[in-house]
Amino acid sequence: DGGITQSPKYLFRKEGQNVTLSCEQNLNHDAMYWYRQDPGQGLRLIYYSQIVNDFQKGDIAEGYSVSREKKESFPLTVTSAQKNPTAFYLCASRDSPYGYTFGSGTRLTVV
Amino acid sequence: AQSVTQLDSHVSVSEGTPVLLRCNYSSSYSPSLFWYVQHPNKGLQLLLKYTSAATLVKGINGFEAEFKKSETSFHLTKPSAHMSDAAEYFCVVSDGRTSYDKVIFGPGTSLSVIP
Repeated sequence: DGGITQSPKYLFRKEGQNVTLSCEQNLNHDAMYWYRQDPGQGLRLIYYSQIVNDFQKGDIAEGYSVSREKKESFPLTVTSAQKNPTAFYLCASRDSPYGYTFGSGTRLTVV
Repeated sequence: AQSVTQLDSHVSVSEGTPVLLRCNYSSSYSPSLFWYVQHPNKGLQLLLKYTSAATLVKGINGFEAEFKKSETSFHLTKPSAHMSDAAEYFCVVSDGRTSYDKVIFGPGTSLSVIP
């Protein structure tokens, strides 16, 4: 079945560490997105990519980085510069104007 | 500029009673509108979408929504709540007609269903 796979489901990070969240899709979608979700809040856009080797900052890009070397993959790195990284991270892809397909999310916790 | 307001941060209903989750939007153009549902620790699932066809949109699990341009609203309803409907619901607006247009998510409404 086509879909988006995010891994790991749970991730723990020590302060000062960089961590990378994986997002893979087999839907052949061009556009991919990373969102952050905090308790009681909606989704905030971190980065998005419309095509391979191109990506744009979203509303809260500071402390994050991405790459888009392959159409299927859009990994997100949470760097040590991100001061409050504990959150639920959602990856999505989109091929039509009519909605996203979401992954099941990665919950990142700083320990 | 686009914006989305979900008028209730939390709604509680009894099982078997109607559900109403309210959403108002602002958009410079004819928008596309969506409702998504999120169960705990899960991704978001598309419930239904409005894309300038019929103003009454039917979605999955018995949900439907009506686009009212004069009221700039897109409220989500269901005639009879089920326990499995307890989740977070997001109203989403998009101005564009391509897959690259930015969308705006509402802050979400948490639905509780009381047995």
